[in-house]
Amino acid sequence: SAVISQKPSRDICQRGTSLTIQCQVDSQVTMMFWYRQQPGQSLTLIATANQGSEATYESGFVIDKFPISRPNLTFSTLTVSNMSPEDSSIYLCSVGSGQETQYFGPGTRLLVL
Amino acid sequence: SQELEQSPQSLIVQEGKNLTINCTSSKTLYGLYWYKQKYGEGLIFLMMLQKGGEEKSHEKITAKLDEKKQQSSLHITASQPSHAGIYLCGADYFSGTYKYIFGTGTRLKVLA
Repeated sequence: SAVISQKPSRDICQRGTSLTIQCQVDSQVTMMFWYRQQPGQSLTLIATANQGSEATYESGFVIDKFPISRPNLTFSTLTVSNMSPEDSSIYLCSVGSGQETQYFGPGTRLLVL
Repeated sequence: SQELEQSPQSLIVQEGKNLTINCTSSKTLYGLYWYKQKYGEGLIFLMMLQKGGEEKSHEKITAKLDEKKQQSSLHITASQPSHAGIYLCGADYFSGTYKYIFGTGTRLKVLA
């Protein structure tokens, strides 16, 4: 199993600003994933972040809007850039490798005014 | 205790057989989501159920939400090796604040 923490747990931001969300895992993992859950919608994968390589983004998500860093095997950041109210969401990081079920962080609840 | 129970934990079926995975909550849910995870990949959204008694189908996969919105079943008809993976239910409910939780996962293996 893996214990995952996220910072901040919640934030209220102004339109046009950027927020960086941190994800820390208590063990070394190869694959980290960033998800978004908008109100009333399902969890949606934003990107996959592997250490030592560029993040892989899903359709509809681009690096300029959601830059990701993965400096080591226990840490990653997701930045939500130039925010608009449509970015209000819960952002979750998760880890998983091989045949293991994914483990999720507690989420970062973002409200953009 | 686990707030969203899934059963069975693992399942091995012969290709062509039908199967059912259950997801049960002790609380009334606002929304119930089914995901599939292929080994080593991110979650793939399958279906979302929000109304009591709702049933949705996509190809050979059908999901139902009971009237009380506390239990959901995922049924696969005529399973194929491509159905193999981990199936995860997720749900959000309101308890002072909105909370999103995941089930324990069901590992499905389909034998050709």
